[in-house]
Amino acid sequence: GQQVMQIPQYQHVQEGEDFTTYCNSSTTLSNIQWYKQRPGGHPVFLIQLVKSGEVKKQKRLTFQFGEAKKNSSLHITATQTTDVGTYFCAGAWIGTYKYIFGTGTRLKVLA
Amino acid sequence: DTEVTQTPKHLVMGMTNKKSLKCEQHMGHRAMYWYKQKAKKPPELMFVYSYEKLSINESVPSRFSPECPNSSLLNLHLHALQPEDSALYLCASSQVTGENTEAFFGQGTRLTVV
Repeated sequence: GQQVMQIPQYQHVQEGEDFTTYCNSSTTLSNIQWYKQRPGGHPVFLIQLVKSGEVKKQKRLTFQFGEAKKNSSLHITATQTTDVGTYFCAGAWIGTYKYIFGTGTRLKVLA
Repeated sequence: DTEVTQTPKHLVMGMTNKKSLKCEQHMGHRAMYWYKQKAKKPPELMFVYSYEKLSINESVPSRFSPECPNSSLLNLHLHALQPEDSALYLCASSQVTGENTEAFFGQGTRLTVV
């Protein structure tokens, strides 16, 4: 079936270090969304990428969608303790409108 | 108002009980979703309603029964659940089904089946 894998599963960084999570789909995606879930919280929408090769920035966060629309990445520059949480990508396949969540990357930031 | 409200926040039920989870949004969204999330796992899609009609059922066991009484409300009726059904149940809504839709999630109902 359709799968969306993320690596790494866990990442511990010192505050101020950069962080990147990668999202890979088994098949070509129509678009991809990114969510953040704080411990004990619910997923909160961050961004949506639609076009092949698209790059979007939100302050310290940079999102990329691969040229083949099968992979994506989220890069955080100079992490802060407020960045702690699990980051999920969620992909939608062409011709469908259901989003399948990736396996998630749990980020811990050490002060 | 960009909130999706879920009640109750916590629920403990026996395997012979019948209970319902409720979800409400007032953003005018016409798509509503139920997800199940186990600890340290991603949310798993269960059901999608589009314009109050069930459009996706991800092969969910019949002991889970969704209902969409109107465009603002979504219920999940529970009956004869198993302990392995214990999880966080998340409701979400989006403007329309299809592409380019941001989903707003509720806080979830943490369900324990004993």
